[in-house]
Amino acid sequence: GNSVTQMEGPVTLSEEAFLTINCTYTATGYPSLFWYVQYPGEGLQLLLKATKADDKGSNKGFEATYRKETTSFHLEKGSVQVSDSAVYFCALAQGGSEKLVFGKGTKLTVNP
Amino acid sequence: DAGITQSPRHKVTETGTPVTLRCHQTENHRYMYWYRQDPGHGLRLIHYSYGVKDTDKGEVSDGYSVSRSKTEDFLLTLESATSSQTSVYFCATRTSGGPADTQYFGPGTRLTVL
Repeated sequence: GNSVTQMEGPVTLSEEAFLTINCTYTATGYPSLFWYVQYPGEGLQLLLKATKADDKGSNKGFEATYRKETTSFHLEKGSVQVSDSAVYFCALAQGGSEKLVFGKGTKLTVNP
Repeated sequence: DAGITQSPRHKVTETGTPVTLRCHQTENHRYMYWYRQDPGHGLRLIHYSYGVKDTDKGEVSDGYSVSRSKTEDFLLTLESATSSQTSVYFCATRTSGGPADTQYFGPGTRLTVL
């Protein structure tokens, strides 16, 4: 079945450091891929998405590229801020299924 | 923001008590979902709905039931709460269920079963 594996956290960085959170997936066909972010005490919200191979999703300085050959969708940001501290979830959606498949989440803490 | 509210936001109850959580949306989205979030498990799907009176089970449906009598409301019921159901519960909606559709989440309900 479909699955998403993302790097385990927690991840702790200093402000202005480079961020990478790895995400790989298993799916048949061509799923859509998502990154969601959950700030403390809130629900999840969409950060970015990509719907086909080689697409790059971007938002708020975050980027992720849909790599079909490596079945990956790694999240990157060149310079993190304290306000980026949150839990990040990678997810996929398969055509013909109404359900998203989520990774277990990676907690990021950014220190000043 | 898809106009999703959850009630109550916090609840403490005792083992064996029935509990109902409510999700209300204002965007007329077709699909609605209930998840629970626990440390080490991420998000797990409990039940979902693909239309009024149309529901299906998720991966952790035992001990839970749902109902959807109107497009805007999706109720989650714990018939007899147990301590293992202590969790944070999130409701979510999607427009048509297509693979590129965004899923929108409510603010969550923190449930404690003593």
